Amino acid sequence: GEDVEQSLFLSVREGDSSVINCTYTDSSSTYLYWYKQEPGAGLQLLTYIFSNMDMKQDQRLTVLLNKKDKHLSLRIADTQTGDSAIYFCAESMINTDKLIFGTGTRLQVFP
Amino acid sequence: DTGVSQDPRHKITKRGQNVTFRCDPISEHNRLYWYRQTLGQGPEFLTYFQNEAQLEKSRLLSDRFSAERPKGSFSTLEIQRTEQGDSAMYLCASSLAGRGGTDTQYFGPGTRLTVL
Repeated sequence: GEDVEQSLFLSVREGDSSVINCTYTDSSSTYLYWYKQEPGAGLQLLTYIFSNMDMKQDQRLTVLLNKKDKHLSLRIADTQTGDSAIYFCAESMINTDKLIFGTGTRLQVFP
Repeated sequence: DTGVSQDPRHKITKRGQNVTFRCDPISEHNRLYWYRQTLGQGPEFLTYFQNEAQLEKSRLLSDRFSAERPKGSFSTLEIQRTEQGDSAMYLCASSLAGRGGTDTQYFGPGTRLTVL
């Protein structure tokens, strides 16, 4: 079945690292994505990782993928107040590339 | 190119009325997707097109919903006889499938529908 789960809320202090976690169920996923959504806005692509990779780093963002446990994480280094938003992980389904999204993790950054 | 655009950004309608939304994808993107997002949830897949062909429809897409992409460029999503349960954000995304790319989907700003 298709199911993606995330914790609902994360609160961090400005300057600390944030780690947002995600678990998925479909082992045939091709790519796994992280999107950011600010209030009332569409989804902004942050980064993605191919399913045969373990890690990808992109400036302040680090994605870790544990295929055995079907666990994906997004680490944001030096978190800023502008990082406050809802973060969605999503898996893409083979052949159609339709995305299956988690429920989102609301990140709140306080000074 | 300025990305995926959607029109209108907001729509308020009365129950029973028909509404139509438009999505303009990134030029040269051959795939176009529609998703629906309700409050506090992640987006849910509705349907997608490759060029002008509609290749998959979710069971969420009842008979009151119809989508078209007549020339393989912009797309429209129509909801007939709207119900209060149709109130949601409707998101459009496009991607370039094949050609060795990742088929990464880029999203528009969404159309927020409120059915009174």
